Amino acid sequence: DVKVTQSSRYLVKRTGEKVFLECVQDMDHENMFWYRQDPGLGLRLIYFSYDVKMKEKGDIPEGYSVSREKKERFSLILESASTNQTSMYLCASSFPRGPRNRGQPQHFGDGTRLSIL
Amino acid sequence: AQKVTQAQTEISVVEKEDVTLDCVYETRDTTYYLFWYKQPPSGELVFLIRRNSFDEQNEISGRYSWNFQKSTSSFNFTITASQVVDSAVYFCALSGAHDYKLSFGAGTTVTVRA
Repeated sequence: DVKVTQSSRYLVKRTGEKVFLECVQDMDHENMFWYRQDPGLGLRLIYFSYDVKMKEKGDIPEGYSVSREKKERFSLILESASTNQTSMYLCASSFPRGPRNRGQPQHFGDGTRLSIL
Repeated sequence: AQKVTQAQTEISVVEKEDVTLDCVYETRDTTYYLFWYKQPPSGELVFLIRRNSFDEQNEISGRYSWNFQKSTSSFNFTITASQVVDSAVYFCALSGAHDYKLSFGAGTTVTVRA
């Protein structure tokens, strides 16, 4: 089974702090994703990465950055946390697109509930 | 642009009732993939099913069944004889053939009462 592990289930930080959320997957997946989940809005994509050191903006990248130095690890960084970044953050991974991997599902971690005070 | 609409915000049923979750999607792609995920109170999204746009065959897996209707751009999900353990948020999602990304609906919260 695919295992996607997020470093913290709950996290409380203060406004202005630099916050790191870590995600590790154990299935050698090329693609990794960071979403935030808010009531009534579903999941919205922040950033994704399709290879080491590669990243692309999702739908709501403002205020966030990412790092992918190793294939199994994808970090989300809140450069200067603000209260409107209080949310549930979900990491996911999947195989890439390609003739053999069409429509692969994404596999998710347990989520990190982040509160910014 | 891809869009997924789950019009039902919350559904509450009594155990053993059937419940159907609606999902309507929009896409310009001719090849695309539809997914359903379950998010129990623990928080992890659990993958339930994937359907590609070329396969309109309905699928049944135990108490779960899915009805894909390309003509109405819908991919509805039915839980038969619901159980308390089915209480969760259910998400419908869509991706294109050349797109890594998933577009999610807002989710439907299902509460099954004993």
